[in-house]
Amino acid sequence: AQSVTQLDSHVSVSEGTPVLLRCNYSSSYSPSLFWYVQHPNKGLQLLLKYTSAATLVKGINGFEAEFKKSETSFHLTKPSAHMSDAAEYFCVVSEVDTGRRALTFGSGTRLQVQP
Amino acid sequence: ETGVTQTPRHLVMGMTNKKSLKCEQHLGHNAMYWYKQSAKKPLELMFVYSLEERVENNSVPSRFSPECPNSSHLFLHLHTLQPEDSALYLCASSLTQEGGTEAFFGQGTRLTVV
Repeated sequence: AQSVTQLDSHVSVSEGTPVLLRCNYSSSYSPSLFWYVQHPNKGLQLLLKYTSAATLVKGINGFEAEFKKSETSFHLTKPSAHMSDAAEYFCVVSEVDTGRRALTFGSGTRLQVQP
Repeated sequence: ETGVTQTPRHLVMGMTNKKSLKCEQHLGHNAMYWYKQSAKKPLELMFVYSLEERVENNSVPSRFSPECPNSSHLFLHLHTLQPEDSALYLCASSLTQEGGTEAFFGQGTRLTVV
């Protein structure tokens, strides 16, 4: 079975400072991992995805994430936060090998960016 | 825009009403999903359709009834709902393939049951 744990429900940073959103996963098979972002009253938008190629994945809006198998982690980072980054972020796992098509979501991390 | 369109965006219904949510995608995807997003709870997968066949049903009450008439359209029929069913209902679609199954989401329907 697959699961995802987002270690922080809320993260607050100042504009211009680095962002770190933590995610640990559990998977019986080789997982695919994703980060999605949800702005208020909007649907979910894909930020980036890991699918067994390069372990450092670059996404949109300057975000990137590193897949660390030994730590079962897939933390999301950004060097410098912008006010528009304030949103809810979801770490997501998919087990391709099992043929299970649906995604398993973490509980989300709400990012606040202070001016 | 992700290419997945949900209507209506907002819906208020009484507990005795019958209504339907609609989802449409023209991305050539072969799988479609309904998720429920409640306040302070993780996204809950409700139903999965692959090639118009329901392949997952995660113990959802029978007052929710999905329908997938073709690969581009997905409906969620609602009847005799309860106030605790108030939530954001998200539709998603994906193309099952090697290398991961990212999903594209609609903007959701905000449902309020009164």
